[in-house]
Amino acid sequence: DTAVSQTPKYLVTQMGNDKSIKCEQNLGHDTMYWYKQDSKKFLKIMFSYNNKELIINETVPNRFSPKSPDKAHLNLHINSLELGDSAVYFCASSPQTGGGTEAFFGQGTRLTVV
Amino acid sequence: GQNIDQPTEMTATEGAIVQINCTYQTSGFNGLFWYQQHAGEAPTFLSYNVLDGLEEKGRFSSFLSRSKGYSYLLLKELQMKDSASYLCAVRDSNYQLIWGAGTKLIIKP
Repeated sequence: DTAVSQTPKYLVTQMGNDKSIKCEQNLGHDTMYWYKQDSKKFLKIMFSYNNKELIINETVPNRFSPKSPDKAHLNLHINSLELGDSAVYFCASSPQTGGGTEAFFGQGTRLTVV
Repeated sequence: GQNIDQPTEMTATEGAIVQINCTYQTSGFNGLFWYQQHAGEAPTFLSYNVLDGLEEKGRFSSFLSRSKGYSYLLLKELQMKDSASYLCAVRDSNYQLIWGAGTKLIIKP
């Protein structure tokens, strides 16, 4: 069974479109995250969501919005896509926010905006 | 600002030992993680250090010096499958993971 799954794996779309990436975890974790990995390979956190508390990285444009219908899901919606949004987006989850609890990652979604 | 530094790329020979360094400057410290990421795949957890010293796990070991803001990942008996990027991440005072850009390790026969 896949622990953290996200769909789609690849997404090619035109500038200006709105798209969503879905993420589900079956680990029973309390915290979920969205990360962006750009061409320089930096992993940058976009959002963390813990027990309905959303922590937003202030550098993330408000075109990006996380939506969590329940504890096991954290979807990423992106409005008015721009060329600079092209990157790999990773969803992750962890059982708590502290301690040595590592994050488990989904397979990633490679978004290409043309 | 917060900063994690790692070498961009390293090359080593199959069967040898390699040490990947990581230095960090963060707002607070609540642990340091090493992850492995193969090309096109998700990062996977390797090790966690929160106290100074060496943590050994099979062929991989990780060292931490909090006073120096320094860690290293030591890989022994290198195998071709160890070719990957190795990411250092520090959990800051807000319990956010701050990531380095990763070190691409190339293993040659």
